[in-house]
Formats: sequence, C-alpha cells, structure tokens
Amino acid sequence: EIVLTQSPATLSLSPGERATLSCRASQSVSSYLAWYQQKPGQAPRLLIYDASNRATGIPARFSGSGSGTDFTLTISSLEPEDFAVYYCQQRSNWPPQYTFGQGTKLEIK
Amino acid sequence: EVQLVETGGGLIQPGGSLRLSCAASGFTVSSNYMSWVRQAPGKGLEWVSVIYSGGSTYYADSVKGRFTISRDNSKNTLYLQMNSLRAEDTAVYYCAKVPYDSSGYDTYFDLWGRGTLVTVSS
Repeated sequence: EIVLTQSPATLSLSPGERATLSCRASQSVSSYLAWYQQKPGQAPRLLIYDASNRATGIPARFSGSGSGTDFTLTISSLEPEDFAVYYCQQRSNWPPQYTFGQGTKLEIK
Repeated sequence: EVQLVETGGGLIQPGGSLRLSCAASGFTVSSNYMSWVRQAPGKGLEWVSVIYSGGSTYYADSVKGRFTISRDNSKNTLYLQMNSLRAEDTAVYYCAKVPYDSSGYDTYFDLWGRGTLVTVSS
C-alpha cells in the first residue's frame, strides 16, 4: 500500500503570503497525484490532478508540481478564502486502491 | 447542472444495515466510474469503494465483505449497501465521480456530493 505523508500538518500564514504544501509518497506514483481543498462543513474540491493540471475553475494562484515521490502544492498569494485543509491523493495501480494524505491545515496567522 | 446528492444517512445500531443513495444529475452514472469516500468526524478522507462503467467493483479492506456498491441505471443513482456496521464506520459518506482517460485509467475524483452522515451507536 502506498502511503502519502503531508507536511507540515499545520501552516500558519497571512493573506498575501506564499504557501508551499508538501506531499511525499512511500513509492513512486509517477505523476498520478491530485490535490483537494476542503473547508469546514463542505465536500472536498478538486484543485490539481496529474500533479500539475488545474481543475476547471481553479484560480491560477494554485499550482502543482512534482513527480515520482515528491509533490508540492503552491498558492502564490493567499486570499482569505484559501484558508482550509488540503489533501493529496493517489491511486495504486492494481487492484485499484485510492489513498489520501492526512491533510495540511492552512490557517490564518 | 452537474451534481451529486447523497441521502440515506442516520443513526444505526452496531450490527445494523443501511443503504445510502447518490442521485446524479447532468451526467449518466452508468457511463462513468463512481466512488464512495468517507470522513470520520474530525478526521481525514478514506476511500471506500468504486464501481466502473463495465460493472467491476472494488473495496477498501476495511469494508470488504460488509459493503456493496451498486447502481440503478434507470434512476441514474449510485448506492452503498452497508451491513454489519461498526462504530468505526461512523462518518460522512461522499459519493464522487471518477473521470478516466482514453485507456480507461482513472486516478482522481472530480465531482463530489455534499455527503450524508452515518452514525453507528447504541
């Protein structure tokens, strides 16, 4: 089973600052990594798929990078609505099993 | 509008059964891969099950043998039959659409419902 480890667990920043979130896989997932944003009481929302592709309607300040085992989600300039929990996710090859990281909480400093 | 709406959650005693429904609009469930993902209170996301357009089904080890995913094409609805429920199954259950590429390979969830809460407690 592939394990995803996200860091840091909590990130405290101010609006306008740059946020860098990390996700490390226990073995290579190629570029098959997605990122989601979840706000309290809401469903997760897809931000990035295949490591670096923004989902429909996602602002350009969100970007993803990485391949193999190390991935990064960057928010170039934080807006007030960006403070939320972020999860990375991958799918193992066969049988299909989908795993999520434990999440990074992005909070207002 | 493309959306998913889950229903069927509630309070159930340990050992009981419950069936969750997920009604889709704006797209056809049977032509897509569909999945269930759950989230225990205050915890992270956990994948539960997936059904492919051809009908193949797969489950997380934690629910294998107890949960069954299915769909009703005439109702454009996805289901999750949950039997032998345990306290650790308490969670918000989300249904999600799983896009796939030209080779049929899928890797992420692009549309989520708002979820339905299942509480297993005596």
